[in-house]
Amino acid sequence: EVQLVESGGGLVQPGGSLRLSCAASGFTFSNSWMYWVRQAPGKGLLWVSRINGDETSSHYADFVRGRFTISRDKAKNTLSLQMNSLRVDDTAVYFCARGAFESSSPLLDVWGQGTTVIVSS
Amino acid sequence: IVMTQSPATLSVSPGQRATLSCRASQTVSSNLLAWYQQKFGQPPRLLIYAGSTRAPSIPARFTGTQSGTEFTLIISTLQSEDVAVYYCQQYSNWPPTFGQGTKLEIK
Repeated sequence: EVQLVESGGGLVQPGGSLRLSCAASGFTFSNSWMYWVRQAPGKGLLWVSRINGDETSSHYADFVRGRFTISRDKAKNTLSLQMNSLRVDDTAVYFCARGAFESSSPLLDVWGQGTTVIVSS
Repeated sequence: IVMTQSPATLSVSPGQRATLSCRASQTVSSNLLAWYQQKFGQPPRLLIYAGSTRAPSIPARFTGTQSGTEFTLIISTLQSEDVAVYYCQQYSNWPPTFGQGTKLEIK
């Protein structure tokens, strides 16, 4: 069964850091682009970042560029998101998702359950 | 590309047809438009991609259509389990963008 399981969310003060992880199973992890998408409370979906299978290419939304870093560990089949200089408006559920068809096209066919990040003093 | 969904909320009786709209601010190449269903407290689930192709295991009552920059998701015979928020997403231009969602309720 194809599965993505996120962890690492929590409560952090503004300016703090948090590292999210996403454990992947049931597919060839290294063949797929992987994504982070977030959803603020009661709001819609926003793409955050993505990385290709061999970590040679990554992209960030403007509102996280320079603060967040995406990475992956092929040996552990794990995707990560290092979040620094967190702001109150980063509060959201963060979803890990797989790019479909082993393609760079940002169609997302498998999603994790999400992990909640709350930035508050 | 800005994706605009309408209506914001739709209330439909069980067994009736639900029609959800999504308009793109510019051309979405090759119909690279997806629909996702998000039930309360769950992650999004891919329903439709390439404008009209159902994802695996998605029931046939879900249909995607396209006319110019207007995309439509039709649920032919609404069931109680279809209560959710539905999002469209274009993936033809970078960055990928989602609509703001249509909340589908049972009347």
